Amino acid sequence: GENVEQHPSTLSVQEGDSAVIKCTYSDSASNYFPWYKQELGKRPQLIIDIRSNVGEKKDQRIAVTLNKTAKHFSLHITETQPEDSAVYFCAARPSGYSTLTFGKGTMLLVSP
Amino acid sequence: DGGITQSPKYLFRKEGQNVTLSCEQNLNHDAMYWYRQDPGQGLRLIYYSQIVNDFQKGDIAEGYSVSREKKESFPLTVTSAQKNPTAFYLCASSTRLAGVDNEQFFGPGTRLTVL
Repeated sequence: GENVEQHPSTLSVQEGDSAVIKCTYSDSASNYFPWYKQELGKRPQLIIDIRSNVGEKKDQRIAVTLNKTAKHFSLHITETQPEDSAVYFCAARPSGYSTLTFGKGTMLLVSP
Repeated sequence: DGGITQSPKYLFRKEGQNVTLSCEQNLNHDAMYWYRQDPGQGLRLIYYSQIVNDFQKGDIAEGYSVSREKKESFPLTVTSAQKNPTAFYLCASSTRLAGVDNEQFFGPGTRLTVL
């Protein structure tokens, strides 16, 4: 089955800096890669996703890049703000399936 | 907020007792999922259901059971066979439309503590 590795497990940045979280996946049949943000005590919420026929996608301060050949994808957050502090999860879904395999999460701490 | 709800928010149980966690959705989604979340472990899939009266085991199904008698409801029972049940449990739902990116929507979670 699919295996998703996520790094780093924790990331501390100063407000205004950029943050990058990286994930690798094992199943070359995976074609959908969402990122979820989970604030403390809250439910995970989708913040951005990308399909395998696209190399990059942006939404304001958030971007995701995908390298199918290397089987890795990354989340980029620019101009970080304290409210970006949360746990971020990457996930992958093989074609034809509805289940997601999640990475173990990255705790992002943005200091004012 | 709303769309997918879980109850109770906090649940305490004694060792050896079975307990059932509720999950309800009004999003008209066919697929529903149960995840377990432990610190540093991410979200691990327990069971999922793609249609009423059908469900499949996920990666960590041992000690858990589910039913899917109605489209809106997917209750999870944590049995006494589950060795380490203390965790945060999340329910999710999604569409099953082919070719769609099937975003999973999560409930607010139930925190189960075994005393």
